[in-house]
Amino acid sequence: EAGVTQSPTHLIKTRGQQATLRCSPISGHTSVYWYQQALGLGLQFLLWYDEGEERNRGNFPPRFSGRQFPNYSSELNVNALELEDSALYLCASRDRTGEIYEQYFGPGTRLTVT
Amino acid sequence: QKEVEQDPGPLSVPEGAIVSLNCTYSNSAFQYFMWYRQYSRKGPELLMYTYSSGNKEDGRFTAQVDKSSKYISLFIRDSQPSDSATYLCGRDAGGTSYGKLTFGQGTILTVHP
Repeated sequence: EAGVTQSPTHLIKTRGQQATLRCSPISGHTSVYWYQQALGLGLQFLLWYDEGEERNRGNFPPRFSGRQFPNYSSELNVNALELEDSALYLCASRDRTGEIYEQYFGPGTRLTVT
Repeated sequence: QKEVEQDPGPLSVPEGAIVSLNCTYSNSAFQYFMWYRQYSRKGPELLMYTYSSGNKEDGRFTAQVDKSSKYISLFIRDSQPSDSATYLCGRDAGGTSYGKLTFGQGTILTVHP
């Protein structure tokens, strides 16, 4: 069974630009979560999508947004990039019958803002 | 104050040692507590979870929650070099915060032969 996949692996952007990160969940999983893992800050919850709807959101500004497509894949958009947005962005998926902690993570997208 | 605090280490131990990893949390409205392990250049993977308080054992790993002191612990017995990774403690609060997993900073563990 293929795991969670994310693209691109690395992304380099300039301050003020927009970044788009993509995630494909494990086949059959309907929930997708996005996390930011910045140096020294640990893993921080960004967004949770389930069945195409945003279910919950972390303490991030509105320039962090996303969506989930009918095939359950997801996209994270970060507008007006700032230097402190440089981090590893992780996507996780969960089966609808799984417990909230049964999240399977992808390898992440490393975003560097210069 | 962060909701989950974790000493980032790094922690270095010899092979075979007993490892104790700890976290504290500030909000009592927690339901699930969990430990994830993250190898270098990989995403985290669920190691163990507990509900409410008490102990849970799985092979060489034991997860412990003490709600009175708001303390979460992970013990690794007979540690192996393959246990070298970053360990993240986390919790889910439930209620309106359902789904918002909160994690500590992560502790970097190195087990040397």
